[in-house]
Amino acid sequence: AQSVTQLDSHVSVSEGTPVLLRCNYSSSYSPSLFWYVQHPNKGLQLLLKYTSAATLVKGINGFEAEFKKSETSFHLTKPSAHMSDAAEYFCVVRGPLPFGSARQLTFGSGTQLTVLP
Amino acid sequence: SQTIHQWPATLVQPVGSPLSLECTVEGTSNPNLYWYRQAAGRGLQLLFYSVGIGQISSEVPQNLSASRPQDRQFILSSKKLLLSDSGFYLCAWSPRLAGGQETQYFGPGTRLLVL
Repeated sequence: AQSVTQLDSHVSVSEGTPVLLRCNYSSSYSPSLFWYVQHPNKGLQLLLKYTSAATLVKGINGFEAEFKKSETSFHLTKPSAHMSDAAEYFCVVRGPLPFGSARQLTFGSGTQLTVLP
Repeated sequence: SQTIHQWPATLVQPVGSPLSLECTVEGTSNPNLYWYRQAAGRGLQLLFYSVGIGQISSEVPQNLSASRPQDRQFILSSKKLLLSDSGFYLCAWSPRLAGGQETQYFGPGTRLLVL
C-alpha cells in the first residue's frame, strides 16, 4: 500500500520569495510521484511528475521537485513566488497495480498556498 | 492534442432527484477513465474507474453508479441524490501505456450542490 503526507495544510509567502511545499510518501515499490495544482473551482493541472528517471524534476511555471529516496520526500519548490501561484497543491503517489488495470492515485490532503503582495 | 470535457459545470439538485454527469475525451483512443469526488476541505476520493467500454470498477460503496457506453464517454449517475452527494466531481483520463507510465489528466470538474 502507498500513502502520501503533505506536511503543511497552509503555506503563506510574499511575492518574489521562495516557495517550499513539503511532501513525504510511503510506498512498497519504486513510486511514481506527481504534483498537481488546483485553482479555485477548477480541475487539477499536472505540474510535474517523477517516474524513476532524473531525481530533480522540472515542471511548468518554474516549479521543480526533488525525489529523495533516503528521506522518502518529494518537496515542491519555486525560487520566486508569483501572485498567480496562489492555489491548492496536491502531492500524489501512483499505485503499483498490474498492467491492464487502471493505475490508482493516492492523493495528499493538499496544501493551500497564499501569496502576499 | 487531447482534451477532456465535463458538463454541466455547476448543478443544484433537490434531495431524491436523479443525477447524470457526463465526461468525454477527445484526441485519444482506449483511455482509462476515472471519476473522483472532492468534498469541501477534503482530498480527492476515487469513485470509479474504467479500462474499457462496459467495464466499471467501483472503489467505494455508495449511492452513485457509473457507465461507459462509448470508448471516450464516461457517465456518473444516481437514481436518488443524498445531501452527502454534494461536492466537486472530477473526471480524469490516462493513456494505456506499456509499463504503466501513464499520467492522469483531469477535466474542469462539476460542482454539485444537493439541497
